[in-house]
Amino acid sequence: GNSVTQMEGPVTLSEEAFLTINCTYTATGYPSLFWYVQYPGEGLQLLLKATKADDKGSNKGFEATYRKETTSFHLEKGSVQVSDSAVYFCALNYNNNDMRFGAGTRLTVKP
Amino acid sequence: NAGVTQTPKFQVLKTGQSMTLQCAQDMNHEYMSWYRQDPGMGLRLIHYSVGAGITDQGEVPNGYNVSRSTTEDFPLRLLSAAPSQTSVYFCASSPGSYTGELFFGEGSRLTVL
Repeated sequence: GNSVTQMEGPVTLSEEAFLTINCTYTATGYPSLFWYVQYPGEGLQLLLKATKADDKGSNKGFEATYRKETTSFHLEKGSVQVSDSAVYFCALNYNNNDMRFGAGTRLTVKP
Repeated sequence: NAGVTQTPKFQVLKTGQSMTLQCAQDMNHEYMSWYRQDPGMGLRLIHYSVGAGITDQGEVPNGYNVSRSTTEDFPLRLLSAAPSQTSVYFCASSPGSYTGELFFGEGSRLTVL
């Protein structure tokens, strides 16, 4: 079945450090891929998405590229800020009726 | 803009009690869903609906009921609460098929003693 595996956290970085959170997926067909972010006490919100192979999603300095050959969608940011502290979820969607989420990676950025 | 509104935000139940988590959206979205969030397991789909009068099961439906009498509302009912249902519950909606983007409520934290 469709599933997502993302790196376990927690991840702790200093401000302005480079961030990578790994995400790989298993799916039949060609799913859409997403990164969602959950700030403390809030629901998830969409950070970025990619709908086909080689697409790059980007938002707020975050980027992720849909790699079909490696079935990956790694999240990157060149210089993290304290305000980026949150839980990040990788997700895939094949027919909109069943979005599959990874376990989440907690990021803490220290000043 | 209200978006997706969930009530209550916190609830404590005793084993065997029943309750309803309310979810309402004001974006005229056809698709609505309920997820539970447990540590180390991400979000898992409980039930979903693709329109008024239509519901279907997700990955973990046992112990939960849903109905969709209007486009706006999608309540989740716990019939006989169990400690295994202690979790944070999220309602989400989507504007239509195949966009994949979900809009989430702020969550309801349920504890079953």
